[in-house]
Amino acid sequence: AQTVTQSQPEMSVQEAETVTLSCTYDTSESDYYLFWYKQPPSRQMILVIRQEAYKQQNATENRFSVNFQKAAKSFSLKISDSQLGDAAMYFCAYRENTGTASKLTFGTGTRLQVTL
Amino acid sequence: ETGVTQSPTHLIKTRGQQVTLRCSSQSGHNTVSWYQQALGQGPQFIFQYYREEENGRGNFPPRFSGLQFPNYSSELNVNALELDDSALYLCASSLGGFETQYFGPGTRLLVL
Repeated sequence: AQTVTQSQPEMSVQEAETVTLSCTYDTSESDYYLFWYKQPPSRQMILVIRQEAYKQQNATENRFSVNFQKAAKSFSLKISDSQLGDAAMYFCAYRENTGTASKLTFGTGTRLQVTL
Repeated sequence: ETGVTQSPTHLIKTRGQQVTLRCSSQSGHNTVSWYQQALGQGPQFIFQYYREEENGRGNFPPRFSGLQFPNYSSELNVNALELDDSALYLCASSLGGFETQYFGPGTRLLVL
């Protein structure tokens, strides 16, 4: 079974600084997607960024970028120029592109604090 | 374009009761997935519906059941509630089974 591991329960970053959140995963598949979702106190899970496994180029979305290392099964999220609104739980998620259902498998999350 | 909505936002039930949670998918989305998120954990996949048919199921007992309607809205039903069913229930919709899932705000269920 696929597993997703986030080894950092909590991280803290100062406003305007850069922070990297770690994620590793385990799979025997070669075709899959990886996602980072943000869950603020409002509880709604918001998509931050996604990466297709067959694309070697790392995905970027404005201040958010990933470092995707397929051989190492690592998928870290870098947040640049951190803002107070970035404070939230961040979940790494994996999704296969095969089978009958495209379920997401989530890690346990990293709580990000942003300080002044 | 409206996003994913869920109702109710909160509810309290007692052990042994039954509950129905509702989800309206984002406009144009034909696939709905349900997740259970216990406190301090990541969401766990319950099941997925694609064009009114169950399309896959996670490791949840049969007392968790669902429906999808012709307008692609969905219900999650839980019978014989247990204390461990207390959680945030998230619904996500997507345009097809293998497209990006967009989440609703969730329903917080407390079982006493």
